[in-house]
Amino acid sequence: DAGITQSPRYKITETGRQVTLMCHQTWSHSYMFWYRQDLGHGLRLIYYSAAADITDKGEVPDGYVVSRSKTENFPLTLESATRSQTSVYFCASSEGQLGEKLFFGSGTQLSVL
Amino acid sequence: AQSVAQPEDQVNVAEGNPLTVKCTYSVSGNPYLFWYVQYPNRGLQFLLKYITGDNLVKGSYGFEAEFNKSQTSFHLKKPSALVSDSALYFCAVRDPYSGAGSYQLTFGKGTKLSVIP
Repeated sequence: DAGITQSPRYKITETGRQVTLMCHQTWSHSYMFWYRQDLGHGLRLIYYSAAADITDKGEVPDGYVVSRSKTENFPLTLESATRSQTSVYFCASSEGQLGEKLFFGSGTQLSVL
Repeated sequence: AQSVAQPEDQVNVAEGNPLTVKCTYSVSGNPYLFWYVQYPNRGLQFLLKYITGDNLVKGSYGFEAEFNKSQTSFHLKKPSALVSDSALYFCAVRDPYSGAGSYQLTFGKGTKLSVIP
């Protein structure tokens, strides 16, 4: 089915482990984004990408790594997970124009113990 | 830097009454403004946007929003609330004149809308 999908839906990990959250979109949208959602903070931008091999930091990039070797995929890696990274992570995509809306995935709920 | 404020964490309204969810913004130039809705355990869904033109914009599910440049506000409204409108609502702003950062969309903290039967 066309759309934007995230996996896994739920993830439990331990402090210090590496975790990768996957995001895949089928629209060939240029832009992709990673947000985290926390109570009291709303959504905060972690990283975004304008095209394959082009990424840039958002508001809260520390502790995260992204890559975009293909237009349709935008994985987010926590290199050494910390408890403060317990959150709900949303991937989103949009076409190239500034006025275009974002399409969001269903989210990954990550718990770091 | 761009920012968005949603001054109410929660709004309660009776079914059938009009509803308003407030949003104010701060950008250096003319903003691009958006409203999104989030239902439980779901991603955000686009409701409406203001880019330019008429200050009153209409969106999905009977919602509308009014852009007020002098008050730097973009309040979300609906004439008659439904129980199914109960959800979390996010206002977002983009500064199209901020150069390399123009594609960053900044969200407010969200307002929980509860429509009481």
